[in-house]
Amino acid sequence: AQKVTQAQTEISVVEKEDVTLDCVYETRDTTYYLFWYKQPPSGELVFLIRRNSFDEQNEISGRYSWNFQKSTSSFNFTITASQVVDSAVYFCALRAGGDDYKLSFGAGTTVTVRA
Amino acid sequence: DTGVSQDPRHKITKRGQNVTFRCDPISEHNRLYWYRQTLGQGPEFLTYFQNEAQLEKSRLLSDRFSAERPKGSFSTLEIQRTEQGDSAMYLCASSQSGSGYNEQFFGPGTRLTVL
Repeated sequence: AQKVTQAQTEISVVEKEDVTLDCVYETRDTTYYLFWYKQPPSGELVFLIRRNSFDEQNEISGRYSWNFQKSTSSFNFTITASQVVDSAVYFCALRAGGDDYKLSFGAGTTVTVRA
Repeated sequence: DTGVSQDPRHKITKRGQNVTFRCDPISEHNRLYWYRQTLGQGPEFLTYFQNEAQLEKSRLLSDRFSAERPKGSFSTLEIQRTEQGDSAMYLCASSQSGSGYNEQFFGPGTRLTVL
């Protein structure tokens, strides 16, 4: 069974501060995929980033970066120099490899960026 | 590419009535998913289609729920004899097979309120 835990319920920052969102996952699969999605107030889930289980190289994409550590089963996500438009609920999700395509989501972290 | 669309965006119904939701996936995507999201929670998987075949159903999908994808394009989700506990956001997503990541792209959702 897959499980995703986002321990932070809410984070509030002032614009231009960095925000790091924590995600811890559980899976018995050796091959799996991790994702971060953003859900703004409009409600539509927007795909942000992805990582597979055999590539632990951390990356930066614009203001987004992620830190994947298999040893601690963590997939943390950072927004650098936050903006008001980053205010949203952020979800970490896990998918097993093979033919299992369903996503297992965490409960989400609400990020509020104040001007 | 117009993205995933869902109709209606909002539905208010009385307990015991039947409701039907429609999802139009991204045109070249052969996989289609339904999720349910209740307030303050992450989306939960309901069911998944590859082309017209329904390949997996969650235990959350009781006998009152039925989903179809008759021609491998759009899909419908019907809830019979609605209950107040069915009130939630119903999300549709689509993806294309052949990609290991199989990232799913979501529609805006249908918010159901059962009175």
